[in-house]
Amino acid sequence: DGGITQSPKYLFRKEGQNVTLSCEQNLNHDAMYWYRQDPGQGLRLIYYSQIVNDFQKGDIAEGYSVSREKKESFPLTVTSAQKNPTAFYLCASSPYPSTDTQYFGPGTRLTVL
Amino acid sequence: GNSVTQMEGPVTLSEEAFLTINCTYTATGYPSLFWYVQYPGEGLQLLLKATKADDKGSNKGFEATYRKETTSFHLEKGSVQVSDSAVYFCALPRSGTYKYIFGTGTRLKVLA
Repeated sequence: DGGITQSPKYLFRKEGQNVTLSCEQNLNHDAMYWYRQDPGQGLRLIYYSQIVNDFQKGDIAEGYSVSREKKESFPLTVTSAQKNPTAFYLCASSPYPSTDTQYFGPGTRLTVL
Repeated sequence: GNSVTQMEGPVTLSEEAFLTINCTYTATGYPSLFWYVQYPGEGLQLLLKATKADDKGSNKGFEATYRKETTSFHLEKGSVQVSDSAVYFCALPRSGTYKYIFGTGTRLKVLA
């Protein structure tokens, strides 16, 4: 079955450490997105990529970094510069950079200890 | 730019009750409108969408009509079930971009 996988489901990190969240899709989608979800705030866009080897900052990119070396993979690194990293992180993709449906992964809950 | 306003929750209903979750928008032109649903501990999934004014999207008993006169896209269901308990998000594309605006989400709890 085609879909988006995110791993791990739960992630714990000590303050001051960088951590990388995985996002893989086998839908052959060009565009991929990373969102952060906090209670009562909906989804906020961190980074997005419309094509391999290209990505753009979203609304809250500070303290995060991404890469897009392969079409199917879009990992997100939460760096120690992110002041409040505890959140639920969602990866999404769409067939083409467009305003059509986005397909979401199951999410990773990151907790900073 | 485009924006969306969604009614605050939580909404608590008894099984078989009628559901309405309000969503209003401001937009340049007539972009597609979406409702996504998030079940506990999961990612979002598309519930329904409407691609032009006066369209009605429907899925799993849920409906929403794209009303340009009232700039609304309210989600309705005639008879909710316990399994409908989730968070519902209204969404639309940002003007001139391939990015989305999501509402803050409305939590629905259905009691047996």
